[in-house]
Amino acid sequence: AQSVSQHNHHVILSEAASLELGCNYSYGGTVNLFWYVQYPGQHLQLLLKYFSGDPLVKGIKGFEAEFIKSKFSFNLRKPSVQWSDTAEYFCAVNADNAGNMLTFGGGTRLMVKP
Amino acid sequence: NAGVMQNPRHLVRRRGQEARLRCSPMKGHSHVYWYRQLPEEGLKFMVYLQKENIIDESGMPKERFSAEFPKEGPSILRIQQVVRGDSAAYFCASSPDRQAYEQYFGPGTRLTVT
Repeated sequence: AQSVSQHNHHVILSEAASLELGCNYSYGGTVNLFWYVQYPGQHLQLLLKYFSGDPLVKGIKGFEAEFIKSKFSFNLRKPSVQWSDTAEYFCAVNADNAGNMLTFGGGTRLMVKP
Repeated sequence: NAGVMQNPRHLVRRRGQEARLRCSPMKGHSHVYWYRQLPEEGLKFMVYLQKENIIDESGMPKERFSAEFPKEGPSILRIQQVVRGDSAAYFCASSPDRQAYEQYFGPGTRLTVT
């Protein structure tokens, strides 16, 4: 069974700092990759997704992620964070042998200090 | 266009009682997924349903848990004889068709078993 690892459970940054959140998965076949964000008190929202094509994917709110197949990674980046980016971020993978099931990482709680 | 609706948002049950969680998918979506998030963990897939059919229940506990998605009305996740370990946030997601890997999430139901 596939698994998804998010190495940083808690990240604290000051505004304007750069962000990179790691995500690694364990499946060797074809995958679809997602980053979701959950702002305090709100539901999960899709930040960006990768299905195929350009491995550098741009999402909403200035976020981007890069799929590196050889490293089984899909790291999330943002050049300059804002206080409003304080949230929990989840990486998710859909493997081609898993139907429509999403496998989630454990999440990373990001706190941005003003 | 209303998003995925879940109710109740918060549910408190005593040990041994039944919990019923409801999910109304987005308009036009006929596929529903249930995930559970235990404290300090990521979301774990439970079950995938289409109208009147269970497509994949590989993540459902074998006992006490059941799910349905009738022809009319919301999807229901039912937990019989709840125990403290069932305390978690239960998220529902929907998608328009089987090939749509992007899932839209509801706000979740936070179940507390006392």
